[in-house]
Amino acid sequence: DAKTTQPPSMDCAEGRAANLPCNHSTISGNEYVYWYRQIHSQGPQYIIHGLKNNETNEMASLIITEDRKSSTLILPHATLRDTAVYYCIAHGPNSGYALNFGKGTSLLVTP
Amino acid sequence: NAGVTQTPKFQVLKTGQSMTLQCAQDMNHEYMSWYRQDPGMGLRLIHYSVGAGITDQGEVPNGYNVSRSTTEDFPLRLLSAAPSQTSVYFCASSLQLDSPRFFGPGTRLTVL
Repeated sequence: DAKTTQPPSMDCAEGRAANLPCNHSTISGNEYVYWYRQIHSQGPQYIIHGLKNNETNEMASLIITEDRKSSTLILPHATLRDTAVYYCIAHGPNSGYALNFGKGTSLLVTP
Repeated sequence: NAGVTQTPKFQVLKTGQSMTLQCAQDMNHEYMSWYRQDPGMGLRLIHYSVGAGITDQGEVPNGYNVSRSTTEDFPLRLLSAAPSQTSVYFCASSLQLDSPRFFGPGTRLTVL
């Protein structure tokens, strides 16, 4: 996996958009950007992934820069249940099986 | 669809005891894996399987055994438990190598 860099922590007010950045300047052409989150004491949960184009699903949106060196996960209307550690992972078919979760960003959503 | 299930949720062992952590998935995924998570260490891959009858080692395989006789099940065996194996264990599955992974709820293991 290419190395990813995320801020260690962020705050967001409930109901506002949470924008979580990730730098992956050494990402290779066939590596996807994956986002997972882990709510306290639970198993990691897949959120979204993308290669080049922006992606949206029922949970979040993923914005990838044109040069693919960074991306942003957007939770459009954060709720208290979105408080979790968010992991950005660059992974592709040549990355081997292991996912490098790193330390992630601890997002705290406040009332 | 139950997704990925793990049993037990909690387990306490004495040093030297053996046990099996169970993992099952009902999504017909070929790839399954076991991770452990320790405070400040993140998730580390123990073993994985790319299909029934095929397994391989991850980053931290010592002290653990796996086998995969069916697509659905991927048990993790601790041969002789040690305090260093106190951890939270997560099982995961995916359709393909670069597909999203789906994780189970975890097993909290304490070895005294």
